[in-house]
Amino acid sequence: DTAVSQTPKYLVTQMGNDKSIKCEQNLGHDTMYWYKQDSKKFLKIMFSYNNKELIINETVPNRFSPKSPDKAHLNLHINSLELGDSAVYFCASSPGSGYTFGSGTRLTVV
Amino acid sequence: AQKITQTQPGMFVQEKEAVTLDCTYDTSDPSYGLFWYKQPSSGEMIFLIYQGSYDQQNATEGRYSLNFQKARKSANLVISASQLGDSAMYFCAPPRQLTFGSGTQLTVLP
Repeated sequence: DTAVSQTPKYLVTQMGNDKSIKCEQNLGHDTMYWYKQDSKKFLKIMFSYNNKELIINETVPNRFSPKSPDKAHLNLHINSLELGDSAVYFCASSPGSGYTFGSGTRLTVV
Repeated sequence: AQKITQTQPGMFVQEKEAVTLDCTYDTSDPSYGLFWYKQPSSGEMIFLIYQGSYDQQNATEGRYSLNFQKARKSANLVISASQLGDSAMYFCAPPRQLTFGSGTQLTVLP
């Protein structure tokens, strides 16, 4: 069983569209995260949720909206996609220290 | 602000040789730790090894070990007997992992 699963793995879409990336973890971890990895491989945290509560919201455009219906799920919705949103997005979960990552979603905005 | 530094953007090592990847953590917290992750070209993030500042001995996991120097706040990753499959990006990160290092691209040469 995949511990942290993200869907889709690849996403190609046009500028201006709205898209969602889903993340689910079956590890029972309390905390989930979204990271963005740019073309230079730099990993930057976007959001963190603990038991469905938003605890970290880094400087991210408000076109990005995370949603956590329960502590096993953290979805990322992106409105009005821009070329600069092209990146790999990683979901991760943690029991408090250390991460288990999803396999990533490669988003390409054309 | 706490800062994690990896000074080697790229490293080359001959197959079967050992290699050390550097990581330092600028923190005033006397209790800290450092994680290492591997990201192969397939893109997934794989946890390798962790050490806390109060651990008595350097952490070891198979061919991976940490050269932990508390005074320098560094936890350098040592990979022994390098294999071609070790070619990947390597990231270090502190607990809570709000920030990752910029990564080191390791290439193992046949």
